[in-house]
Amino acid sequence: QVQLQESGPGLVKPSETLSLTCTVSDYYISNGYYWGWIRQPPGKGLQWIGSIYHSGTTYYNPSLKSRVTMSVDTSKNQFSLKLSSVTAADTAVYYCARPISGPTTGFDYWGQGTLVTVSS
Amino acid sequence: QSALTQPPSASGSPGQSVTISCTGTSSDVGAYNYVSWYQQHPGKAPKVIIYDVSKRPSGVPDRFSGSKSGNTASLTVSGLQAEDEAEYHCSSYAGSNTVVFGGGTKLTVL
Repeated sequence: QVQLQESGPGLVKPSETLSLTCTVSDYYISNGYYWGWIRQPPGKGLQWIGSIYHSGTTYYNPSLKSRVTMSVDTSKNQFSLKLSSVTAADTAVYYCARPISGPTTGFDYWGQGTLVTVSS
Repeated sequence: QSALTQPPSASGSPGQSVTISCTGTSSDVGAYNYVSWYQQHPGKAPKVIIYDVSKRPSGVPDRFSGSKSGNTASLTVSGLQAEDEAEYHCSSYAGSNTVVFGGGTKLTVL
């Protein structure tokens, strides 16, 4: 059973960079599959942020692309998210997840989510 | 890339069937057979219950079914049970290796 766990600061100041890491257990990232980040603002719907392959190939949401950087560290079995120049609109629960196939189809394994609040 | 449109709420009595719609455009739902549906209980991570329009992952009851017509996808929950009360989200492949989600539908079991 693949397990994912998000970690990172729960509070980020406006204009700074949000950084999160997802640690994967019981599956080697280097064995394949894409790995993604999805967020959910309080009381709102889901928004796909982007997906990354173990090779480093990335695909980003066009509306966030200018501020997003994703990376993967296969030696630690982790992948990471950086979102720059954050504002209050970036306050959300951030999930890491794995799609069933390709970079975007049917995310079947999810982390528990971590709330990131953007506030001074 | 705009969010898919879902009704904010839906409801049904135990044993009944309810259908939730997810409307997109000819650039996402209408163009690809890559619609997924997720069930999310309060405070929990979403769980995929339908992918590729109508496929069910292992362990998902066959009470859940998906379909698509034109730019609109639908999720039908048959034989409603109390535990089906949750938020339901749809998503669709939108080209160029991107995916777009809907705003979510709160399903209430009366």
